[in-house]
Amino acid sequence: QSALTQPPSASGSPGQSVTISCTGTSSDVGAYNYVSWYQQHPDKAPKLMIYEVTKRPSGVPDRFSGSKSGNTASLTVSGLQAEDEADYYCCSHAGSNNFVVFGGGTKLTVL
Amino acid sequence: EVQLVESGGGLVQPGGSLRLSCAASGFTFSNHWMSWVRQAPGKGLEWVATIKPDGSEKSYVDSVKGRFTISRDNAQNSLYLQMNSLRAEDTALYFCARGRINNDYWGQGTLVTVSS
Repeated sequence: QSALTQPPSASGSPGQSVTISCTGTSSDVGAYNYVSWYQQHPDKAPKLMIYEVTKRPSGVPDRFSGSKSGNTASLTVSGLQAEDEADYYCCSHAGSNNFVVFGGGTKLTVL
Repeated sequence: EVQLVESGGGLVQPGGSLRLSCAASGFTFSNHWMSWVRQAPGKGLEWVATIKPDGSEKSYVDSVKGRFTISRDNAQNSLYLQMNSLRAEDTALYFCARGRINNDYWGQGTLVTVSS
């Protein structure tokens, strides 16, 4: 199973918007609307931020949004805040054999 | 309040075995798919295994197939991961998570170190 491809880092100033990409293949991201995004602060458990490409769990600010085009999914964080600084991981269903695959993670820095 | 508490991690020699446990509370455990996800030190997340609510379906990442077994005891609200033939590359923090693909609750993890 190959990991999904994410940029290692992203940054933005408070109030700005930043988009993190997640590139897979026609066997995972492109094949299913089961892409999720997780936020992980240092030494903390991951937190689900987006599921099924665009849906937000209860309690997640609407500043976080997800989208997908072809084999690439994206997470956009609008109105950046200091507490958004964290690692972000994408995740996709990858079929009955490979089931779930994660991206390598993106470290988001709020300047 | 949903809680997932992992235990059973520790230091083990290459080739050894370890059994991880995850105690669940605050929700109807028997209604939910459950998963194990690991994170090697300083590295990203890696899905390990997933089990259906009734235990009848299980899926594994290729690197652990034949060595790890996921199981559950719905009467005890517990999830398990039996890890055999452990390798250095299995060293990681192992998280228990609720869900099949969308993991909405996670434990704090239990650390497994494989070293001689």
